[in-house]
Amino acid sequence: EAGVAQSPRYKIIEKRQSVAFWCNPISGHATLYWYQQILGQGPKLLIQFQNNGVVDDSQLPKDRFSAERLKGVDSTLKIQPAKLEDSAVYLCASSWGQGSSYEQYFGPGTRLTVT
Amino acid sequence: SQQGEEDPQALSIQEGENATMNCSYKTSINNLQWYRQNSGRGLVHLILIRSNEREKHSGRLRVTLDTSKKSSSLLITASRAADTASYFCGSGGGADGLTFGKGTHLIIQP
Repeated sequence: EAGVAQSPRYKIIEKRQSVAFWCNPISGHATLYWYQQILGQGPKLLIQFQNNGVVDDSQLPKDRFSAERLKGVDSTLKIQPAKLEDSAVYLCASSWGQGSSYEQYFGPGTRLTVT
Repeated sequence: SQQGEEDPQALSIQEGENATMNCSYKTSINNLQWYRQNSGRGLVHLILIRSNEREKHSGRLRVTLDTSKKSSSLLITASRAADTASYFCGSGGGADGLTFGKGTHLIIQP
């Protein structure tokens, strides 16, 4: 089966600019996650979708970050305006179901550099 | 905030040796998963252990879970150069997603 697809793979922007990331999960996976991974750290969950509804966005900086999952399939994550501390790899993952008993499948990530 | 921490942060061993890394977590969990991340790539699932399990094996991997100490360990036996990667544990409650630690960076020297 095809894996989780993400684009772009790399993005360099200046602070205060906006940026958007796209994710296409594995077909049939109901749950989609966006993680932020800062260099040298583990992934930090930003938002979790179950189909097209938000399950957990408690760690999403809502003043600048937004995400949507259209028709319960593809998802986009947007940052506006970007700050220097947003430099990180943004990982998308999907799973068959919701919860810690399900294996998550990760995409290759988008490496964002904010200058 | 991070749920827990992996220990050690970095580990370098010779090919063929065994590698052991540990993970601690803070709150009660239902499941704990271990993932591997090669440089510049996404995470790859290795093994899942449930809170009512104490040990689980998969090929050269052995995972233990001690819920009384809120800790888990991952043992990789007969290490290979291809095992060079960062290893993360992720833990969570029943309906929760996973919370990951900072990871252990493992280097296998040929």
